[in-house]
Parts: sequence; structure tokens; C-alpha cells
Amino acid sequence: DGGITQSPKYLFRKEGQNVTLSCEQNLNHDAMYWYRQDPGQGLRLIYYSQIVNDFQKGDIAEGYSVSREKKESFPLTVTSAQKNPTAFYLCASSIGHSNQETQYFGPGTRLLVL
Amino acid sequence: KQEVTQIPAALSVPEGENLVLNCSFTDSAIYNLQWFRQDPGKGLTSLLLIQSSQREQTSGRLNASLDKSSGRSTLYIAASQPGDSATYLCAVRAYGQNFVFGPGTRLSVLP
Repeated sequence: DGGITQSPKYLFRKEGQNVTLSCEQNLNHDAMYWYRQDPGQGLRLIYYSQIVNDFQKGDIAEGYSVSREKKESFPLTVTSAQKNPTAFYLCASSIGHSNQETQYFGPGTRLLVL
Repeated sequence: KQEVTQIPAALSVPEGENLVLNCSFTDSAIYNLQWFRQDPGKGLTSLLLIQSSQREQTSGRLNASLDKSSGRSTLYIAASQPGDSATYLCAVRAYGQNFVFGPGTRLSVLP
């Protein structure tokens, strides 16, 4: 089955700790995205990547970092500089261009601070 | 910058009712609009994609319409069922911008 996997489902972070969220896709999509979702709010874009070895900041990139060394993988690191990391994190990939571009989402990772 | 709103924030209806969810956006220069469903604690599932040149799309009991000039899209759900209970989000792919999401409408269909 093709799809997007995220791990872990739940992640606990201690004060001052960096944590990494995994996102893998086997859909052969070029573009991948990381979003943050807080209660009652829409998704906010953290980082995105249109191609391997290239990525751009989204609207709320401060305190986060990413890499895109392989087409299938787009891990997100939540650094100690992110002071309010508790949220639901969603990874997505997209196919097509312009008016046909469609996004597909993984199941999400919930990050909690101890 | 594109802004997307959804009204109402929450909706509760008895089973069997037809219902309409609304999505509004501020900039009509869009490539497409996509409707998603999200169950509690889960990722988003794509329901319908309407390209900018299209007026509507249908899938089963779902029908989505798009009026770019007025900056509006509606998602019509016919003969609602308890299994339709979820949060419904719309997202706009605007020119020169990434996808912009609305806050969602939380739907409860009561048996």
C-alpha cells in the first residue's frame, strides 16, 4: 500500500531537549510538507521541500529544522529553541502542479512536553 | 496574503439531514481548493479537489462547489450519517503561495 507514515505516534520532550519526528512516503511525490496543528486553528506551515536537498521555511519555522537527503524522507527536528512545542504535527506530500496539485497526509505525531 | 475562514465552527444535526459547510477565502487568484476530513487524533483525508476552472465536484453523497469571484466554496453532504461526524477543513492553493487552510468545521451527526 502506498502512503505516508509518521513515527512515533506520541512523543514526549523534556526541557532543553531536541526531538526528531519521522516522515516517510512511498508515493514517489517530489514535494513534502510539515504542518503544525493547534486546537481550534487551521494547519500552519513549518517547512516544505519541493525537491531533494532543497527546502524552504514556512510561516512558523523558528525553533524547527529539517533535512531532505532522500526523496522518501523528510524528518523534522523540534529544537530546544521552540518554546511552545506541544501540538499535533502533520506531514504531507503532494503530486501534480498548479491547479491539479493535491496534498496527501500522514497520520500525525502528537508532541507533549514533560 | 490569502486568508481562509470556515463557518460555522461547529454544527450538530440529526441523522438523515442534508447539510452545507462553508469556506471563504480572500484572494480569488487560486489554483484549486481542496476539502479534507479529519477524525479526532488522525491525519487529514482528501475528499474533493476543485480546480480553479471548475464549478463543482461530486463524490458519492458529497458535492463541493466553487465560486471564485465571491471567494466561496460549499461542501454539501446529503443524507448525513453518524459516520460523517468529523472535522471538515478546506484548503486553498493560491498563486505564489503554499496551501492555506481554514480552521475547520466540527460536525456531529446524531443518531
